Amino acid sequence: LAKTTQPISMDSYEGQEVNITCSHNNIATNDYITWYQQFPSQGPRFIIQGYKTKVTNEVASLFIPADRKSSTLSLPRVSLSDTAVYYCLVGGWATNKLIFGTGTLLAVQP
Amino acid sequence: GAGVSQSPSNKVTEKGKDVELRCDPISGHTALYWYRQSLGQGLEFLIYFQGNSAPDKSGLPSDRFSAERTGGSVSTLTIQRTQQEDSAVYLCASSPRTGDNEKLFFGSGTQLSVL
Repeated sequence: LAKTTQPISMDSYEGQEVNITCSHNNIATNDYITWYQQFPSQGPRFIIQGYKTKVTNEVASLFIPADRKSSTLSLPRVSLSDTAVYYCLVGGWATNKLIFGTGTLLAVQP
Repeated sequence: GAGVSQSPSNKVTEKGKDVELRCDPISGHTALYWYRQSLGQGLEFLIYFQGNSAPDKSGLPSDRFSAERTGGSVSTLTIQRTQQEDSAVYLCASSPRTGDNEKLFFGSGTQLSVL
């Protein structure tokens, strides 16, 4: 099972771009990389998913280098409402159990 | 329904009592997961279902915990003889299992408090 490592916390200010990097050295060939966002008292919510190179959607971008041993979630121009815990998850349907890491608490200040 | 539904949203019980937590996944989702989240902590994997089968039960903390899924839909997590350390939020997620990737849709969880 691919283990993930993320920073415990990050601070930012409104309007800045935030990049959160996740390490997953033993990622398997069939594994995808998925990021989730969790607000207090809610279940995690899917943000973005990718396999390699770059993926962009309406809320974030995901950068994955060629060796796929890490990934970076990029949040453009964060606002106070982006304060949450962000989890990097590596796996696919062939992985019977999807293990979440410790997550990164992003605190956005005015 | 439109999303994953969990009930009850809150459950307060006395130590030693049994509790049942229910999860209604999104219609058509074949995979279903249970996680536990203690206050201020990350998500702890409990069990996973593909259809009605649970290939891996190794995440269940003790033999007081059990789970079943019927008709490839509703799942129930049962905790027998609850202990105070069982107090946590129990989260359920389902996935459509399309292609090789896995995208989890979570419910809002059941907050369990054992007094």
